[in-house]
Amino acid sequence: QVQLVQSGPEVKKPGASVKVSCKASGYTFTSHGISWVRQAPGQGLEWMGWISGNNGDTDYAQRVQDRMTLSTDTSTGTAFMELRSLRSDDAAVYYCARGGSGSSYYFDYWGQGTLVTVSS
Amino acid sequence: ENVLTQSPGTLSLSPGERATLSCRASQSVNANYLAWYQQKPGQTPRLLIYGASSRATGIPDRFSGSGSGTDFTLTISRLEPEDSAVYYCHQYGSSRGTFGQGTKVEIK
Repeated sequence: QVQLVQSGPEVKKPGASVKVSCKASGYTFTSHGISWVRQAPGQGLEWMGWISGNNGDTDYAQRVQDRMTLSTDTSTGTAFMELRSLRSDDAAVYYCARGGSGSSYYFDYWGQGTLVTVSS
Repeated sequence: ENVLTQSPGTLSLSPGERATLSCRASQSVNANYLAWYQQKPGQTPRLLIYGASSRATGIPDRFSGSGSGTDFTLTISRLEPEDSAVYYCHQYGSSRGTFGQGTKVEIK
């Protein structure tokens, strides 16, 4: 069965960086892209970025495109999200979600979420 | 950016009643690439509908989606207690997808 398993919660200071992993299993990693979606406490869902599982193409939301880097390790079927220069409003649960081969796709499987806390 | 506006903000209904949730886009959604997700407290979002009207695997047929262009609807035909959740629409017709702000469904 398809599973996306994310790394554990993180506590970071403002200005620091965080890197979250998302290990995929149960499907051919290179046939699907991975998107990252975040949810601030008590708020809705916000799409942050997408990476192709095949060729590493990426697309980022405008508000984080200068601070976020998405990457993959196809040998292990793992996607990574790095966010730099953390601010208090980056505090959220970050989800990875499986999409299609292109960036325009719905999300049929989701990771369990990784809570990122930003606090001095 | 294609902004999605959901209404109402909260819907309070009794078991067995019909729930109608609206999602309106600021621009036409390319190819009706519109999905709906259900999120219960403390849980991960679950895909209900994609392509505006196709039910995802394992989703009960009391959930249905309709609409095209800029106006889309999620209908829950006969509410059950476990349908209490927040429902989000998501347009993926543009490469940078966007979500609506959510509609909370409460079961009386």
